[in-house]
Amino acid sequence: SQKIEQNSEALNIQEGKTATLTCNYTNYSPAYLQWYRQDPGRGPVFLLLIRENEKEKRKERLKVTFDTTLKQSLFHITASQPADSATYLCALTNSGYALNFGKGTSLLVTP
Amino acid sequence: GAVVSQHPSRVICKSGTSVKIECRSLDFQATTMFWYRQFPKQSLMLMATSNEGSKATYEQGVEKDKFLINHASLTLSTLTVTSAHPEDSSFYICSARDQAGAGSNSPLHFGNGTRLTVT
Repeated sequence: SQKIEQNSEALNIQEGKTATLTCNYTNYSPAYLQWYRQDPGRGPVFLLLIRENEKEKRKERLKVTFDTTLKQSLFHITASQPADSATYLCALTNSGYALNFGKGTSLLVTP
Repeated sequence: GAVVSQHPSRVICKSGTSVKIECRSLDFQATTMFWYRQFPKQSLMLMATSNEGSKATYEQGVEKDKFLINHASLTLSTLTVTSAHPEDSSFYICSARDQAGAGSNSPLHFGNGTRLTVT
C-alpha cells in the first residue's frame, strides 16, 4: 500500500539553526511532491512544490530536495525563527488528483 | 491569492442530529473540492472528492449516506454529517484547486477547518 512517512517525533531546535525534516514514501511514482505548513486548529498552507526532475527548490529561507531514487524529500528551514514553529506536512498526489498527506512533523523553535 | 472559506469554524451538536459544513472558494472557481478529516495528532485523511454537478466520490470506508456532499456550484460545496455520533467528532477541512491553475498537481487551497464536537 502507499505510504508517506514523516518523523512523528517533534523536532526542537534553537533559533537561528537550520531545521531539517524528512519525508519518505513507498509505492508512489510521483511527478511532484509538495510541502505544507499547518498551525494548530487551522487548515494547511502550501509552501513549496518540487518536480521529479528538480533536485532542489528554494523559496526565501526554505529549501526542498527530492530524490526519486531514495524516495525521499528533505525540507530545510535556515535561520529558523520561533514563528516557524508549526507542523510541516509532506504530500503526494493520488490517482484521483487529491493529495495524500504524511502525519507531519512538529517543529518547535525556541529563542 | 486563492482563498477558501469554511463555515462554521466550530460546532457542537447533540448525538443524532445533523450538521452542515459549507466550503466556498472566494476568488476562484473549483469544479472539484476535497473533504478531509483529521483526528488529533493524525494525518489529514481524504474522505471524498466533491464534483460540481455530479455525485461525490467517496474513499473506502467512508459512508456516503452518513456524509452527504453537495457541490451545487463552482464555488460552493457542502458536507452534511447526518445522525452524528460522538465518534464523528473531528476536525473537518475542505480544499480546492483553482481550475484555471497548472493542473492536477497544482497546490490545494484549504479552508480553516470545522471543529465538530458531538455530545
